[in-house]
Amino acid sequence: DAKTTQPNSMESNEEEPVHLPCNHSTISGTDYIHWYRQLPSQGPEYVIHGLTSNVNNRMASLAIAEDRKSSTLILHRATLRDAAVYYCILYGSSNTGKLIFGQGTTLQVKP
Amino acid sequence: DTEVTQTPKHLVMGMTNKKSLKCEQHMGHRAMYWYKQKAKKPPELMFVYSYEKLSINESVPSRFSPECPNSSLLNLHLHALQPEDSALYLCASSPRQGYEQYFGPGTRLTVT
Repeated sequence: DAKTTQPNSMESNEEEPVHLPCNHSTISGTDYIHWYRQLPSQGPEYVIHGLTSNVNNRMASLAIAEDRKSSTLILHRATLRDAAVYYCILYGSSNTGKLIFGQGTTLQVKP
Repeated sequence: DTEVTQTPKHLVMGMTNKKSLKCEQHMGHRAMYWYKQKAKKPPELMFVYSYEKLSINESVPSRFSPECPNSSLLNLHLHALQPEDSALYLCASSPRQGYEQYFGPGTRLTVT
């Protein structure tokens, strides 16, 4: 299974942008890069996904490196509600279509 | 309706009991999933159903028995569980297998 590497934890100040990095050097050509987050005491929540091009939605932006070996989830203005565990997951043929969660990055947002 | 619902929210059962967890979605999704999450750990995939047929079983013990009676409903039947099976059980759905998944809030199971 293709793996991702994320920092264990990050801190941010409220209303500042947050850049959450993810390395995935063994990504295959058909793997999509998915991001999910899990707020305390809740189920995971889909955030965004992409294949090659940068993607934007109402929650976040996803910047994908040209060689696809790394990506960055960007929260444009962090709020206290964004404090969660963020998971970067490769989803596609290398994982036979399974969503396999790693340890993720725990984001703390300070007021 | 854009959510996945799970019942019950909490369940306490003895090792000899039989119980069932229920998951429902009305988004027209044709893939549904069961995950198990232990405290402070990431979710782990248990089962995948695609078009009401079992697609993936991640070598889950037979004391967990999934069922997909129709495209909106997913059950997990529990029998003779062990205390180490205590965990948060999460259900998810996606438009098709391999698409982005939408999770329910989970059922917190305690086996005594």
